[in-house]
Amino acid sequence: GENVEQHPSTLSVQEGDSAVIKCTYSDSASNYFPWYKQELGKGPQLIIDIRSNVGEKKDQRIAVTLNKTAKHFSLHITETQPEDSAVYFCAALPSGGGADGLTFGKGTHLIIQP
Amino acid sequence: DVKVTQSSRYLVKRTGEKVFLECVQDMDHENMFWYRQDPGLGLRLIYFSYDVKMKEKGDIPEGYSVSREKKERFSLILESASTNQTSMYLCASTTGAQANYGYTFGSGTRLTVV
Repeated sequence: GENVEQHPSTLSVQEGDSAVIKCTYSDSASNYFPWYKQELGKGPQLIIDIRSNVGEKKDQRIAVTLNKTAKHFSLHITETQPEDSAVYFCAALPSGGGADGLTFGKGTHLIIQP
Repeated sequence: DVKVTQSSRYLVKRTGEKVFLECVQDMDHENMFWYRQDPGLGLRLIYFSYDVKMKEKGDIPEGYSVSREKKERFSLILESASTNQTSMYLCASTTGAQANYGYTFGSGTRLTVV
């Protein structure tokens, strides 16, 4: 089955700086890669996703890049703000649908230092 | 907006009790999932269902069962609660045969077994 590795487990950046979180996946047939943000006391929320037919997608201060050859994808947050502090999860979905759905990384705790 | 509602935010149960965690979604989604979330381990899939009365085991089904009698409701059952089942439980739902439209998560139920 699919295996998703996520790094780093904790990331501390100064407010205003950029943050990058990286994930690798094992199943070359995976074709959908979402990112979720989980704030304290809440469930994860989808913030951006990318499909295997594109290499990059942007939404204001966040972007995701995908390198299918190397089987890795990354989340980029620019001009970080205090409200970006949260746990971020990457995930991958095999092209067969993965009847059991997404495989998640273990999460990155992003801390924005004032 | 799609809503996934988990009946309890916090629960405290005794060892050996039978515990029911309820999840309801309001957007006619076919697929529903139960995960548990533990520090350092990320989200681990317990059970999922892609239709009424259908259920499939995830990665860690031992000690759990599920019920899906109606499309909008997916219940997780701890047959005989044990202290190692103390965790955050997250329910999610999605549409699409291949679950590649992103999950909507509930806010979670933090279960403590004493």
